[in-house]
Order: sequence, then C-alpha cells, then structure tokens
Amino acid sequence: ILNVEQSPQSLHVQEGDSTNFTCSFPSSNFYALHWYRWETAKSPEALFVMTLNGDEKKKGRISATLNTKEGYSYLYIKGSQPEDSATYLCAFFRTDKLIFGTGTRLQVFP
Amino acid sequence: GAVVSQHPSRVICKSGTSVKIECRSLDFQATTMFWYRQFPKQSLMLMATSNEGSKATYEQGVEKDKFLINHASLTLSTLTVTSAHPEDSSFYICSARRQGNGYEQYFGPGTRLTVT
Repeated sequence: ILNVEQSPQSLHVQEGDSTNFTCSFPSSNFYALHWYRWETAKSPEALFVMTLNGDEKKKGRISATLNTKEGYSYLYIKGSQPEDSATYLCAFFRTDKLIFGTGTRLQVFP
Repeated sequence: GAVVSQHPSRVICKSGTSVKIECRSLDFQATTMFWYRQFPKQSLMLMATSNEGSKATYEQGVEKDKFLINHASLTLSTLTVTSAHPEDSSFYICSARRQGNGYEQYFGPGTRLTVT
C-alpha cells in the first residue's frame, strides 16, 4: 500500500507570515509529485508537477522543493494572505494514477 | 483553459434510487477521466479510470455494478450510483487528463451525494 503523508493537518497563521508544509511519499520508483490548492466549493487547482530530484518550482509567493531520494516535498508560502486560505494537497504519481495525501488545511487570518 | 465542470454539485436521493453525475471537460478533449471519492477527513481515493470508448478500470474494492461509469465522448464521462444506500453518501469528484498532456489532471468541483 502506497502512503502519502502530509503534515501538519491544519495550520493557522497571521497575514504576512511565511509558512511551509510537508508531503512524504515512497522514495522508490519515483515518477512525479503533484501539488494542488483546493478552495472550498471550487475545483482543486494544479500548482506544480515536480519530476526531478532537487527541483524547485515557483508561482508567485508559492514555491515547492523536491527530494526524491528521501521521499519528501516542501511547499512554501511567503507572506501569506487571506486569499491563500485553502487545503493544499500533494499527490504521488505511480502507474498512471495519482495517490493523494489528506491535505494541509491553511487558514490565514487578517 | 482546462476547465472541468461537474453536475449536479449537490444531490439528495432516497435509498434504492439511482443517481447520475456528469463530468465534462469544457475547453479540451479528455482521453482519460478519473473518478474519486472522499470520505470526511480522508484523502481523495481513486475509484476508477475511464478511457473514451472503452470500459472503465475499477480500483480494488470498488463494485463496478454499483458505480457505473460511461465515457461516451472525449468531453463527457458519467458516474451512476445504482440502488444507492446511505453508506454511498460521500463527496464524488472527477478529473480529466488532456489529450497529449502527460501527467496533469484537471478537476471538477465535485458532487456531494446524500442518500436518505
């Protein structure tokens, strides 16, 4: 059974704080790792697809790093804003399927 | 681009009836669509993968006669929950993979099913 773990489960931060969370996945037979941002009542939105060890991707104030040898990825949000409030999901790609973690629920207070 | 719609967003039905959920890719052709289910405080669990024009591939433990999937065109897949029971109450969400676009999946907003 493939396990994808995300921590923390939830996070409350003040506007302007920077934050980060972790996704752990099996380190063997790595193919790709996806990050999604999911706001309530909306569709999950693709943030990054990461494929190479040492990859670092950035989209505005959000960035992600990847370590395939040890099986983890970090997602960073610099200067959090209330509109960043969402659940952030990671998903491990294996045999043509996405295996999701349970997500990190971020709440940013003004 | 890459918008996926899902209809209905919420449905309440009586035990024993069937419910159909539609998943449409609005601005692209989707060779493959996926159906997921999410229980409270759990992750999205893949139920089945459907390819246009062929039978869906179901994950272990998912009853294919209960969850009928049809992918009749490159822009539409449907999930029918047959003879629904209260334990089928859940959040169902679909995703679509664009033709020739590698790994990325684009998600619909999901359907909340409540069976009374």
